[in-house]
Amino acid sequence: NAGVTQTPKFQVLKTGQSMTLQCAQDMNHEYMSWYRQDPGMGLRLIHYSVGAGITDQGEVPNGYNVSRSTTEDFPLRLLSAAPSQTSVYFCASRPGLAGGLPRETQYFGPGTRLLVL
Amino acid sequence: AQTVTQSQPEMSVQEAETVTLSCTYDTSESDYYLFWYKQPPSRQMILVIRQEAYKQQNATENRFSVNFQKAAKSFSLKISDSQLGDAAMYFCAYYLSQGGSEKLVFGKGTKLTVNP
Repeated sequence: NAGVTQTPKFQVLKTGQSMTLQCAQDMNHEYMSWYRQDPGMGLRLIHYSVGAGITDQGEVPNGYNVSRSTTEDFPLRLLSAAPSQTSVYFCASRPGLAGGLPRETQYFGPGTRLLVL
Repeated sequence: AQTVTQSQPEMSVQEAETVTLSCTYDTSESDYYLFWYKQPPSRQMILVIRQEAYKQQNATENRFSVNFQKAAKSFSLKISDSQLGDAAMYFCAYYLSQGGSEKLVFGKGTKLTVNP
């Protein structure tokens, strides 16, 4: 299994540009989420999904959109990038109730570093 | 609201020695989970150890162990026989699932340096 994969690893955007951060997992996990990590801060939840077709907001959702059309993929869209969105973004997944693994334990991707100029 | 506090922004330890990283949290719940994650320079978040709040026994994973004090809301991580590869940021995290929603709250992290 590849686990949780994220692309790109690094991206530079200009203010106002849009882009999509990709996240995929091959573990058939029901739950997926996006976090951002800023210097001196822990991870903060942006959006999450408990299954295909279901998404919800986390702690810092403004400026981001998500969708979950398949179990495997959970892209994060920045509609109009702002310098305040410069951060490292992590995607995570975990199994649902029938996953056979501790459902409280999340598995993280390698992160995407985003710089907005 | 649940909060997680790591009071040590940086710690250092000599190779082969033992170091303890501190974490306290604030919650009014009784059933929750606690985690320590390691983030090396590669930025990958790696699960180190987890603790269920309903278990009195402290979790252990090889050289990593925790001291879970539920009443004091304290969850420290002890790394024994420290190795150079242990150098990383360490994040304490609190997880709660309630009424169909769930929350994973991270502390701000402790940077661990291992000196040869």
